[in-house]
Amino acid sequence: AQSVTQLGSHVSVSEGALVLLRCNYSSSVPPYLFWYVQYPNQGLQLLLKYTSAATLVKGINGFEAEFKKSETSFHLTKPSAHMSDAAEYFCAAGNAGGTSYGKLTFGQGTILTVHP
Amino acid sequence: DVKVTQSSRYLVKRTGEKVFLECVQDMDHENMFWYRQDPGLGLRLIYFSYDVKMKEKGDIPEGYSVSREKKERFSLILESASTNQTSMYLCASSYTGRRAYFGAGTRLSVL
Repeated sequence: AQSVTQLGSHVSVSEGALVLLRCNYSSSVPPYLFWYVQYPNQGLQLLLKYTSAATLVKGINGFEAEFKKSETSFHLTKPSAHMSDAAEYFCAAGNAGGTSYGKLTFGQGTILTVHP
Repeated sequence: DVKVTQSSRYLVKRTGEKVFLECVQDMDHENMFWYRQDPGLGLRLIYFSYDVKMKEKGDIPEGYSVSREKKERFSLILESASTNQTSMYLCASSYTGRRAYFGAGTRLSVL
């Protein structure tokens, strides 16, 4: 079964610093991958998605993620953190085939704190 | 505009009650999902449906059942609610291989 692991349940950065949120998936066949963000008391919003077209994916709000098959990783980065980036971030993976093709598995989430 | 609607935002039930959580999507998506969200545990899949009347257990199906009689509606049923089912429940829908759209969530308290 597909699994998604986010390393670090809490990440804290200073405003203007690099943001790096880690995500690894377990699959012998590359799945399709997503990053979602959840602001306090709000629903999940899509940040970006990987669907095999390009390994470097650009999303909204200056975020991007790089798919690395050799490392089974899909880490999320942003060059310069802004206070408004404080939220919880979820990595998700969809299966590559079979009857469960549409099923999405989420990681545990990473809470990003941005200090002034 | 894309819409996934969950029938209740907040719900308070008693232990042993039968609870129905309803979800409706207006995008003709074939896939629908029920997740529960708990702090530190992320979103855990309870059940997944890939077509009308078709369902598949997720990671934590115990104590839950689902019903999908029409494409647009996916119901989560707690046959006999227990306090450990107090949680935030999120419904989502998607086309296969595409992003999921989420409802606003139902915060269920079981007393």
